[in-house]
Amino acid sequence: ELKVEQNPLFLSMQEGKNYTIYCNYSTTSDRLYWYRQDPGKSLESLFVLLSNGAVKQEGRLMASLDTKARLSTLHITAAVHDLSATYFCAVDIRAGGTSYGKLTFGQGTILTVHP
Amino acid sequence: ETGVTQSPTHLIKTRGQQVTLRCSSQSGHNTVSWYQQALGQGPQFIFQYYREEENGRGNFPPRFSGLQFPNYSSELNVNALELDDSALYLCASRLAGGPYEQYFGPGTRLTVT
Repeated sequence: ELKVEQNPLFLSMQEGKNYTIYCNYSTTSDRLYWYRQDPGKSLESLFVLLSNGAVKQEGRLMASLDTKARLSTLHITAAVHDLSATYFCAVDIRAGGTSYGKLTFGQGTILTVHP
Repeated sequence: ETGVTQSPTHLIKTRGQQVTLRCSSQSGHNTVSWYQQALGQGPQFIFQYYREEENGRGNFPPRFSGLQFPNYSSELNVNALELDDSALYLCASRLAGGPYEQYFGPGTRLTVT
């Protein structure tokens, strides 16, 4: 059974600081997603990583994927308060037949950015 | 906005009752997946439908069932509700064979008392 583990689960950051969230998974997959979720809201897609060595950046967030190590990272640069949210990584494996789309999520990392 | 809508937004049911949740996918998206997100946890995969057939199921009992319709809408039905069914239910649509991203709807918050 695929397991996806994030750490840390709770992250309290000062504005302006850098930090990394780690996502380890237990089964071979080359599709990994990062999502953001605000309290009481749905999931907002941040990054789709589709191959070993993939790196994507958007604003203060950068995600990378190492399929050999089964590890993805979400790096936060110069954090600002607006980044406070819960961040999930999710690994995509085949649901059945030839179709992907069965996402297995990590537990989530609750990020709080304070002055 | 992802183009995926869900109804109702909130729902309160009593243990033992049955509930139907609805999802309208993006036009042309032939694959829909349903997830259950309990408070403080990550979403868990319930099942996926592709071209109106179930195409993969997570560790959920048979009282969780679904339907997908030709107009890109779908339903999640839960029979014999239990207290632990209280959660946020999310649907996500994508185009099989197309861009890999899944687009999540806003969710339905189900409370079972």
